[in-house]
Amino acid sequence: DAKTTQPTSMDCAEGRAANLPCNHSTISGNEYVYWYRQIHSQGPQYIIHGLKNNETNEMASLIITEDRKSSTLILPHATLRDTAVYYCIVRGTGANNLFFGTGTRLTVIP
Amino acid sequence: DAGVTQSPTHLIKTRGQQVTLRCSPKSGHDTVSWYQQALGQGPQFIFQYYEEEERQRGNFPDRFSGHQFPNYSSELNVNALLLGDSALYLCASSLIGNEKLFFGSGTQLSVL
Repeated sequence: DAKTTQPTSMDCAEGRAANLPCNHSTISGNEYVYWYRQIHSQGPQYIIHGLKNNETNEMASLIITEDRKSSTLILPHATLRDTAVYYCIVRGTGANNLFFGTGTRLTVIP
Repeated sequence: DAGVTQSPTHLIKTRGQQVTLRCSPKSGHDTVSWYQQALGQGPQFIFQYYEEEERQRGNFPDRFSGHQFPNYSSELNVNALLLGDSALYLCASSLIGNEKLFFGSGTQLSVL
């Protein structure tokens, strides 16, 4: 699986959009981009995934660049409960495991 | 609908001992994966079970073994515990063919 690069930490004001970047320049054609988050003392939680089109669900939006070498997770209106470590993961179809890096620690500030 | 449940939530063992951790998958799921998460690190894949067999294994020694039962629940066994085995052990379940994993809250293992 392709490796990803994420900033170590970010802050976001409550109510504002949180934009979390991820670089995956070695991604191959059949690999998806997944985002999970882990709130303190809990297991990781699935957020969203995509292949090449932008995706949106009730939690977030995923914007993937046309060359697929980077993506951005957008939390449109961050709340204090969104404070967590966010992991960007690239995973091939049928792969049995997720490779978690160290993620981005997002702190939402009141 | 219960999610993924793990037991126990916390465990303290001494070096050289053996430990068994348990996981019940989310209702309807048939695949269980185990991850180890050291403090300050992301989770690392240990192995995955489907149809009571180990499908894939990460870079962990044979001291780590597992089992899946006919009801899809799973156990993780670690023998000859080392101090470095102290970590949060996470279980994740999924439905085969569906890439989305659901994680439990984990078992915090401390080896003294």
